Amino acid sequence: EPEVTQTPSHQVTQMGQEVILRCVPISNHLYFYWYRQILGQKVEFLVSFYNNEISEKSEIFDDQFSVERPDGSNFTLKIRSTKLEDSAMYFCASRREGGSDTQYFGPGTRLTVL
Amino acid sequence: AQSVTQPDIHITVSEGASLELRCNYSYGATPYLFWYVQSPGQGLQLLLKYFSGDTLVQGIKGFEAEFKRSQSSFNLRKPSVHWSDAAEYFCAVGAIENAGNMLTFGGGTRLMVKP
Repeated sequence: EPEVTQTPSHQVTQMGQEVILRCVPISNHLYFYWYRQILGQKVEFLVSFYNNEISEKSEIFDDQFSVERPDGSNFTLKIRSTKLEDSAMYFCASRREGGSDTQYFGPGTRLTVL
Repeated sequence: AQSVTQPDIHITVSEGASLELRCNYSYGATPYLFWYVQSPGQGLQLLLKYFSGDTLVQGIKGFEAEFKRSQSSFNLRKPSVHWSDAAEYFCAVGAIENAGNMLTFGGGTRLMVKP
């Protein structure tokens, strides 16, 4: 069964450094998402992406964040200058169609900012 | 804006006992409702979903959930819990009105199963 994959599984970085989290969505999916979960807190929506552009973003998704689909398979989340509070589990998700279709989640990347 | 509340942070049940995890949502129209499960070190796996029609939905692993519009609830149930069901369970709501169709999650309920 196709699944969403994410790399790396764990990323440790110094405050102020740039990080890129990578995701490979399910191949025939058209809608892509990033969510994050700070330890002990809710899973929070960051951004949705469709047709090579952001369709919606949350307040969390400020100028330090960007997303890109550099080729036909990868979907990346970049944090330009990491802060301590960016430490969280980041989940990528994808969906084949819009509306009520199911979002399928990857296993997550745990980002630790020191 | 939609919101989801899972009142129980932790629940412990004995293996073989029945289970009900509570979920209440706030949304002006008919939402799309989901239950996901997260095992340690794993991603979020979809258990079941409700879009329309029959308010009692069946999912994987013997789980079911019932949508009750009058109570704004979507509680998850299982008649007999197995030790492998120990995990964290998340209720989520989606709304077609949002351009990105993002999901709003509850805080999760951690289920522990006693032998």
